Amino acid sequence: ELKVEQNPLFLSMQEGKNYTIYCNYSTTSDRLYWYRQDPGKSLESLFVLLSNGAVKQEGRLMASLDTKARLSTLHITAAVHDLSATYFCAGKRYTGNQFYFGTGTSLTVIP
Amino acid sequence: DARVTQTPRHKVTEMGQEVTMRCQPILGHNTVFWYRQTMMQGLELLAYFRNRAPLDDSGMPKDRFSAEMPDATLATLKIQPSEPRDSAVYFCASGLEQTQPQHFGDGTRLSIL
Repeated sequence: ELKVEQNPLFLSMQEGKNYTIYCNYSTTSDRLYWYRQDPGKSLESLFVLLSNGAVKQEGRLMASLDTKARLSTLHITAAVHDLSATYFCAGKRYTGNQFYFGTGTSLTVIP
Repeated sequence: DARVTQTPRHKVTEMGQEVTMRCQPILGHNTVFWYRQTMMQGLELLAYFRNRAPLDDSGMPKDRFSAEMPDATLATLKIQPSEPRDSAVYFCASGLEQTQPQHFGDGTRLSIL
């Protein structure tokens, strides 16, 4: 089983600030995914990271993957209120179809 | 855009009643997953299918929950009898290739009184 841990669980940050969400996983994970969930809504795929050193960016969000450290990060640059949501990372083994989700990070951006 | 469709979106029923939730995966996707989300437990995997065959249902309480895929366009999750502790949001997700993300439906918000 692949265990995925995120921290922090809760994050309150001011608009305009930068911050990083961390996602650690227990064993080799060849695929790492980031999702966003708005309150009362479904999960929406943000990034797919498929190899060591992969970096993906979309707007104020940038995700990276270090398979040797078993760590993925989601960096938020100059946060805006619209980024308030819960962010999940999920790992997936090369073999098999199951996704292993972290507990999620609830992000609140304060004006 | 292709979407995973779940019905019903909301369900309120009394304890002891049977509940059936349905999911139409994205056409062509060969894996289907059922998750339950609560504030206390977060996102839990209940069961998943590949090419309609159940691969893992270890997350499901077997005495009351059952999951099936009668055909490639329909997955069902049933609870019988339902209990108040089953109140949660149930998500269905489907996927295709090894590297592709899962696509989630909008969920069924279930309340058992």
